Amino acid sequence: EDKVVQSPLSLVVHEGDTVTLNCSYEVTNFRSLLWYKQEKKAPTFLFMLTSSGIEKKSGRLSSILDKKELSSILNITATQTGDSAIYLCAVLRNSGNTPLVFGKGTRLSVIA
Amino acid sequence: KAGVTQTPRYLIKTRGQQVTLSCSPISGHRSVSWYQQTPGQGLQFLFEYFSETQRNKGNFPGRFSGRQFSNSRSEMNVSTLELGDSALYLCASSLAPQGANEKLFFGSGTQLSVL
Repeated sequence: EDKVVQSPLSLVVHEGDTVTLNCSYEVTNFRSLLWYKQEKKAPTFLFMLTSSGIEKKSGRLSSILDKKELSSILNITATQTGDSAIYLCAVLRNSGNTPLVFGKGTRLSVIA
Repeated sequence: KAGVTQTPRYLIKTRGQQVTLSCSPISGHRSVSWYQQTPGQGLQFLFEYFSETQRNKGNFPGRFSGRQFSNSRSEMNVSTLELGDSALYLCASSLAPQGANEKLFFGSGTQLSVL
């Protein structure tokens, strides 16, 4: 059965800390891996990763895919309270009834 | 341009009733997908529609159904509601079907509570 596992499930850090969120997957017909941020209700897109070893970066956030290890990490440096959210990892497949398989998310809380 | 719009935002129903949720995708987007989100299970795929045709369906009972209209707006229906149907229902749209490596744009969801 295809699955995407995120760790940790929840995390509390102080402002200014650096955090690393993990995503591992066992999925057939892998096409790409996506990260989303869900602050209140609507998840918003962060990154799409298709090639192994190439880092995607946006401000203080960065992500990289390791196809050999079937995993990805999302790094957030100099965290701010506005980074508090659920971070969702999802794997897009080339085929299958469920094209996009989501992990359960990591709930990040950044305290001042 | 306007984002994905879902209505209503909140809904309270009782067991046995049925409910219809609506989703208007971003203008020009022809793919609409529906997800159920619960604290224990995360986001689970319900179904995807593209150009009025259901392309994929997740592992949900037949009580969950949907459709898409010619203007790409979509509705999902849940009949004979159960307590376990209480969840946030998210709609997402994209230009092309999900398998085309398109990122999804999500709406703010409909929070359904079944009493």
